[in-house]
Amino acid sequence: AQKITQTQPGMFVQEKEAVTLDCTYDTSDPSYGLFWYKQPSSGEMIFLIYQGSYDQQNATEGRYSLNFQKARKSANLVISASQLGDSAMYFCAMRGAYGNKLVFGAGTILRVKS
Amino acid sequence: NAGVMQNPRHLVRRRGQEARLRCSPMKGHSHVYWYRQLPEEGLKFMVYLQKENIIDESGMPKERFSAEFPKEGPSILRIQQVVRGDSAAYFCASSPPARGGLTDTQYFGPGTRLTVL
Repeated sequence: AQKITQTQPGMFVQEKEAVTLDCTYDTSDPSYGLFWYKQPSSGEMIFLIYQGSYDQQNATEGRYSLNFQKARKSANLVISASQLGDSAMYFCAMRGAYGNKLVFGAGTILRVKS
Repeated sequence: NAGVMQNPRHLVRRRGQEARLRCSPMKGHSHVYWYRQLPEEGLKFMVYLQKENIIDESGMPKERFSAEFPKEGPSILRIQQVVRGDSAAYFCASSPPARGGLTDTQYFGPGTRLTVL
């Protein structure tokens, strides 16, 4: 079974600064995938970034990067140069080797201040 | 390139009525997933379907809930005799045909907000 833990219920960041959202995971699967999704107040779920457990390099997508530390079982999301539009709920999720379902964390609410 | 479509976006039902939620996957996607999000919580997996087949229903409540993905038409999540505890956001996601790896990202629809009075 997989488990995702997001320990930060809420975060504040000043506009244009970088912010790190924490995610730790637990699995016994030999391979797995890690995902981050953004849920703005309008409610939709927007895919941000993916990291495979065997990927040698940390994933990056524009202003999003994933700080993947396999030994620590952490997959933190880094948002650089925060914008007001980044204010949203952020979910970390994982998919194990033997199934297709995503397991989600409880989420972190990010508020960007001007 | 249309994304995952869900309708209705909002649905209000009285206790005991039936709720039908529809999901049309992205073009070219043959895998559909349903998730439920209770207020102030993360998403919880319910069921995974391919055309005409239920692959994994380990997250579906044993009673009143059913899902289908027919050969033609959208996937349907059906909730019979709804109760107040069924009030939640129901999300559908789709992914392309499996390529045997872990990189098949699931793309989500806008969700259906079900309110049971």
